[in-house]
Amino acid sequence: DIQMTQSPSSLSASVGDRVTITCRASQTITTYLNWYQQEPGKAPKLLMYATSNLHSGVPSRFSGSGSGTDFTLTISGLQREDSATYYCQQSYSPPFTFGQGTKLEIK
Amino acid sequence: EVRLVESEGGLIRPGGSLRLSCAASGFSFSTYSMNWVRQAPGKGLEWVSYISRTSTTTYYADSVKGRFTIYRDNAKNSLYLQMNSLRDEDTAVYYCARPYYQDSSGSPLDYWGQGTLLIVSS
Repeated sequence: DIQMTQSPSSLSASVGDRVTITCRASQTITTYLNWYQQEPGKAPKLLMYATSNLHSGVPSRFSGSGSGTDFTLTISGLQREDSATYYCQQSYSPPFTFGQGTKLEIK
Repeated sequence: EVRLVESEGGLIRPGGSLRLSCAASGFSFSTYSMNWVRQAPGKGLEWVSYISRTSTTTYYADSVKGRFTIYRDNAKNSLYLQMNSLRDEDTAVYYCARPYYQDSSGSPLDYWGQGTLLIVSS
């Protein structure tokens, strides 16, 4: 099975900051990497798919990059509503594993 | 509008069984594969199972293989998860989720139900 490791597990940043979350796969997943945002008590929302494709309705301050085993999610110009937990997921081969999550707090 | 509505979970004794259902509306259910994803209280997301649109192909997480069965009824626009031999560690919110690409196992999940809580405890 492919293991997905996110870092950091949590971070705190201020409105307007640029933050980066990384996700590492235990083996190559080419660009089959997706990002989700989850607010407390709610279902996850798809943010980014196939590494760098913004899902419909997602603000352009979110961007993604990477390939192979190393990937990043960047939020440029952090907004208060970005406070959430972010998960990466590989859709390269089953089981379609998630990272353990990164909790983003807005100072 | 795409809607996915899971049935109620509940409190089940270890070793017990439960069937979850997910009622789909607002899209052509029979043309999409479907997935189940769960989240233990205070923990991260765990992908559980996948079924292709014609039920030809299914996949499971190692943690549920041999105990859970995913199936669907396209005539009823419904997805199911039969869970047997339940364990404490199966306690979680269970979500059904639709893929972004219609019938691809390797697809991101763009629509999710609201989730239903299953508690396995004696």
